[in-house]
Amino acid sequence: SQQGEEDPQALSIQEGENATMNCSYKTSINNLQWYRQNSGRGLVHLILIRSNEREKHSGRLRVTLDTSKKSSSLLITASRAADTASYFCATDSGGGADGLTFGKGTHLIIQP
Amino acid sequence: SQTIHQWPATLVQPVGSPLSLECTVEGTSNPNLYWYRQAAGRGLQLLFYSVGIGQISSEVPQNLSASRPQDRQFILSSKKLLLSDSGFYLCAWSIGLLTSGANVLTFGAGSRLTVL
Repeated sequence: SQQGEEDPQALSIQEGENATMNCSYKTSINNLQWYRQNSGRGLVHLILIRSNEREKHSGRLRVTLDTSKKSSSLLITASRAADTASYFCATDSGGGADGLTFGKGTHLIIQP
Repeated sequence: SQTIHQWPATLVQPVGSPLSLECTVEGTSNPNLYWYRQAAGRGLQLLFYSVGIGQISSEVPQNLSASRPQDRQFILSSKKLLLSDSGFYLCAWSIGLLTSGANVLTFGAGSRLTVL
């Protein structure tokens, strides 16, 4: 079953603007991860935030986690045309090897 | 460095025909291996995962099966394909929680299956 739900489903912004995507989930988690998928390709891991962390940065990426609201956000600053892709949040709830549960993704389009 | 190979990249098969998708990982030992399916415009659905040779866990009942004949080889199969089996199939691996403390997945490039 779907654990994470990204919002919005699609987002189109101008190059240079910031892009914010949100993710909500239903059950308690050990960590939450964000992945990127270029059209027709596999997913690439971007960043992981653990349940005891509230914010994390990596380059132009900023992730926040609010476990009380069961939500996370991914901010991409100073967007570039190459950032055009689908972005998925994935939750790791069980602490075991039984995979991650992915949302349906946000399709981000950066207009040059 | 670790690499993951998945093939074929594209497959068009008639209903009722068999299926075999293969995935291999290089540069690591005893990885956790996963098969996900992505329907058009949808998220990823976990189909199978494996923590070792011959150990397969199925997440959803379906027309598919998986096997792990070697440590770094993961195969997705079907004896008779259905129209609903169409989709984008992704293999992934992870080094497991004991090493990294988190289950971070590395994905292959995917196999697009169209059943006609």
